[in-house]
Amino acid sequence: RKEVEQDPGPFNVPEGATVAFNCTYSNSASQSFFWYRQDCRKEPKLLMSVYSSGNEDGRFTAQLNRASQYISLLIRDSKLSDSATYLCVVILTTDSWGKLQFGAGTQVVVTP
Amino acid sequence: GAGVSQSPSNKVTEKGKDVELRCDPISGHTALYWYRQSLGQGLEFLIYFQGNSAPDKSGLPSDRFSAERTGGSVSTLTIQRTQQEDSAVYLCASSLKIGLRFFGQGTRLTVV
Repeated sequence: RKEVEQDPGPFNVPEGATVAFNCTYSNSASQSFFWYRQDCRKEPKLLMSVYSSGNEDGRFTAQLNRASQYISLLIRDSKLSDSATYLCVVILTTDSWGKLQFGAGTQVVVTP
Repeated sequence: GAGVSQSPSNKVTEKGKDVELRCDPISGHTALYWYRQSLGQGLEFLIYFQGNSAPDKSGLPSDRFSAERTGGSVSTLTIQRTQQEDSAVYLCASSLKIGLRFFGQGTRLTVV
């Protein structure tokens, strides 16, 4: 079983709609969580950290559910520019900084 | 420089040849990471350098892979006797804080 699993999608979303997707992690020793965004044939870029109490950054909301071992990302009022692959990232307490565990990503396609 | 710089951006090599990939991290970033991403896959951790500490090489897939970081700045990833399964995008990242990776644009390696 992979450490971090994501629904690959694609999630096809009409412009202006809301989309949400989850990422599950297998190791309860996971301590830090992030969402990265990766555009086609580009490098990943940090979107936001995920805090225990949940957090928002504009139209983006991240949640953490430790009991069920998943994090979620919700995008409100989707824009065409939100089309990308969203990578879930987990850091284990037992690993060094280097071993960020990346999910394979969830593809989001926002359509006009 | 302003960001993480990698060279070359593309490399096509014949099976069995050695290749060197270069990474210039963001100035002042003490941590440097190498990942690779195969088509449609998540990021795979390869190696991590932090200051003067011994690197975490636990992600290197075989002894054909090696990396060094000279003077705490530039890093070179070397793949000896390349195989077709080595074809991937090799991403370098640097950071000051845990989780906050800044990625370069990657080197797309194709082994023919």
